[in-house]
Amino acid sequence: NAGVTQTPKFRVLKTGQSMTLLCAQDMNHEYMYWYRQDPGMGLRLIHYSVGEGTTAKGEVPDGYNVSRLKKQNFLLGLESAAPSQTSVYFCASSPHVAPYEQYFGPGTRLTVT
Amino acid sequence: QQQVKQSPQSLIVQKGGIPIINCAYENTAFDYFPWYQQFPGKGPALLIAIRPDVSEKKEGRFTISFNKSAKQFSLHIMDSQPGDSATYFCAASSTGGYSTLTFGKGTMLLVSP
Repeated sequence: NAGVTQTPKFRVLKTGQSMTLLCAQDMNHEYMYWYRQDPGMGLRLIHYSVGEGTTAKGEVPDGYNVSRLKKQNFLLGLESAAPSQTSVYFCASSPHVAPYEQYFGPGTRLTVT
Repeated sequence: QQQVKQSPQSLIVQKGGIPIINCAYENTAFDYFPWYQQFPGKGPALLIAIRPDVSEKKEGRFTISFNKSAKQFSLHIMDSQPGDSATYFCAASSTGGYSTLTFGKGTMLLVSP
């Protein structure tokens, strides 16, 4: 099992460009999440999904969109990147039963210039 | 509003010392308290977790102490090793009905040889 994988690992964007981050999991988990990690800020939830075709906003959703067309994939989109979106992005998944232990991917380091 | 407060932000101990990381929460509905460990360049991984029906849980050299009345919990690492150097995050959630994890801001631990 690969667990949770993220593509790409690194990316540099210019302000105003768009991109999509892909998260895939092979554990048949119902729930998936996107977080951003910034120095001194911990992990902040951007969006999450409790099942195929569903999405919900987290703590810091502005500037991001997500889609969950397939159970195993969760996409995070930036339509018009801004320097404030420079961060490390982590995807996670968890089963649909308590305590919902989350399994994290290796992260994507995004720089917006 | 930060619902889980974690301290200290960083910690340096000598090999064999016992680092202690503290967390406090506000939401009395929280009933699941995990700790995640993150090595540089990696995603966080579940280290140990506790529920409020017990006051202490040990797994190897890692111990969680829980004080329900004070709404505080802490992580102790016995006989710390340089390989324990990592960032540690506490988190909390309520499992009665789905809810997301709320993370503390993290503690960067360095164990010197």
